[in-house]
Amino acid sequence: DQQVKQNSPSLSVQEGRISILNCDYTNSMFDYFLWYKKYPAEGPTFLISISSIKDKNEDGRFTVFLNKSAKHLSLHIVPSQPGDSAVYFCAATYNFNKFYFGSGTKLNVKP
Amino acid sequence: GAVVSQHPSWVICKSGTSVKIECRSLDFQATTMFWYRQFPKQSLMLMATSNEGSKATYEQGVEKDKFLINHASLTLSTLTVTSAHPEDSSFYICSASRSDRRDSPLHFGNGTRLTVT
Repeated sequence: DQQVKQNSPSLSVQEGRISILNCDYTNSMFDYFLWYKKYPAEGPTFLISISSIKDKNEDGRFTVFLNKSAKHLSLHIVPSQPGDSAVYFCAATYNFNKFYFGSGTKLNVKP
Repeated sequence: GAVVSQHPSWVICKSGTSVKIECRSLDFQATTMFWYRQFPKQSLMLMATSNEGSKATYEQGVEKDKFLINHASLTLSTLTVTSAHPEDSSFYICSASRSDRRDSPLHFGNGTRLTVT
């Protein structure tokens, strides 16, 4: 049973516009959420995270929003750049014991 | 900081042989390391949780006798794929979180592409 879901396998955005990647989860016990970026043939790289006590965390061009009532989080990238093209995974954990990953969204930022 | 090194980055082996993959945390100690497997166009699948000094915890459906995990020190975990078969061909990724920080995110190695012929 997939506890973390990314329902959009791919997303295409024009350079300079906003990219919005979505993630849903089912386990209300999750208390920390993370986004990772992955290039082909490489391991994922940590991007940004948010604790369940917050609803927004911002780091430069990247902002993560958390809606606990809807069990939904999203990653906003503004402005999008061609170098942002990669696969983005959201992940969730409780007590940092295990990390559950979504299936990833492949972002393509067109010049 | 928080670098995880995984070796080898790719390996080709013949069916029936065993392959060992190493995962090292270079600049931090990791009590716990995780091994993931990624199928093409699919999610990262957690295979097992490796705990330093104790037996690994395997996820449901993962054969512990086939995927041997050893976590002998706070900076090294190994995954050995025993008697490899073509269906074991995949991308294996290890990860670790810092022992000294409770809220540390996972840091990943660069993965190992295993091809079994």
